[in-house]
Amino acid sequence: QVTLKESGPVLVKPTETLTLTCTVSGFSLNNARMGVSWIRQPPGKALEWLAHIFSNDEKSYSTSLKRRLTISKDTSKSQLVLTMTNMDPVDTATYYCARTKWDLFDAFDIWGQGTMVTVSS
Amino acid sequence: EIVLTQSPGTLSLSPGERATLSCRASQSVSSSYLAWYQQKPGQAPRLLIYGASSRATGIPDRFSGRGSGTDFTLTISRLEPEDFAVYYCQKYGSSPPGWTFGQGTKVEIK
Repeated sequence: QVTLKESGPVLVKPTETLTLTCTVSGFSLNNARMGVSWIRQPPGKALEWLAHIFSNDEKSYSTSLKRRLTISKDTSKSQLVLTMTNMDPVDTATYYCARTKWDLFDAFDIWGQGTMVTVSS
Repeated sequence: EIVLTQSPGTLSLSPGERATLSCRASQSVSSSYLAWYQQKPGQAPRLLIYGASSRATGIPDRFSGRGSGTDFTLTISRLEPEDFAVYYCQKYGSSPPGWTFGQGTKVEIK
């Protein structure tokens, strides 16, 4: 069974750096046909793609947030990490990690349950 | 950067009715890389359609997608009670690699 699970702080203060972890099971982060993205959703709003890491460790970032984001992976631990610097209240959202598959034209076929992050002093 | 605009914002229908949701791109999109998702309150999105018209595993055949270029449609032939939710279209572009979501269409019970 393929699963992804996000973990990280529930509350961060403005200007702090957010670090989120996505732990995957049922597939390898080295699988050439798969990748994993981070996606967020502010309360009551639409989904926003943030960053993606491919099996070959190539990374891609949202143009608008690129300067604040870093995505990485530890294949041996089956984990991905997203860091977002200089957090602001507008970054309050549910953060998801989701898998893409090459044979599904890189659509997100499996999603984590999401983790809610609130930015407040 | 390509923008996806979904319409209508809200669709009020009764169970058994047909729902037609639109997703319009600001520039032509490869139909291979257009997907649709369903999201219910408190849940993660679920993949419905990929490649503009292929149903994902386990998706009932009352869901269908079509379109090309800048205009894409998700149709639910006969609404079941569990279909009332928010629907998002999404596109993938490879140069540079990136994903974009529409703003969503809420299908609510009339």
